[in-house]
Amino acid sequence: QSALTQPPSASGSPGQSVTISCTGTSSDVGGYNYVSWYQQHPGKAPKLMIYGVTKRPSGVPDRFSGSKSGNTASLTVSGLQAEDEADYYCSSYAGSNSVVFGGGTKLTVL
Amino acid sequence: QVQLVQSGAEVKKPGASVKVSCKASGYTFRSYPIHWVRQAPGQGLEWMGWIRNGNDNTKYSQKFLDRVTFIRDTSATTAYMELSSLTSEDTAVYYCAREGDIQAADPYFDSWGQGTLVTVSS
Repeated sequence: QSALTQPPSASGSPGQSVTISCTGTSSDVGGYNYVSWYQQHPGKAPKLMIYGVTKRPSGVPDRFSGSKSGNTASLTVSGLQAEDEADYYCSSYAGSNSVVFGGGTKLTVL
Repeated sequence: QVQLVQSGAEVKKPGASVKVSCKASGYTFRSYPIHWVRQAPGQGLEWMGWIRNGNDNTKYSQKFLDRVTFIRDTSATTAYMELSSLTSEDTAVYYCAREGDIQAADPYFDSWGQGTLVTVSS
């Protein structure tokens, strides 16, 4: 299956909100409520931020939220902070016990 | 707490094989699937497949189907990923990750290993 489509970059000033999109097809994002989002700082392992489209693991600030409409999922970061600067990846169940990731979005806090 | 600790960096020649280990602790190892994900330098995450530790079922991404093998040693609470016929395109950081919810069908990854850099160079 093809990778999910994310914008290569996004940016915002401290305190602002930014939304990152993740577009797939009806065979993955649109077909299941199984979209996850991961944050990755340079040289570090990814960290789960959102699962099940909208659910937040314990310990993840409520500034992070997820949503989905049709074949596109979105991650919104509100009240941007300097430590939010990182790469963000979406992933989705793609049927037949497989998973597909997005290409990643580099979030810059201006 | 849940912890996944991977083996150290490897340097391999083209055509060789590599085996990466992922030692789990802090949870019931046999109950949770382990997935493998790789990341080439400066690139995004790429899903390779999983092994369900309860019954050793495996699922491989079509891209790696003929070159990758996942195994697990329950007594040692360790999962292994072996990749053969290496080329320079396989130079990447390889991660193991635990699937977070064995009750649901949602394959999200709540814990990750620290990553193992595999360099393929002649």
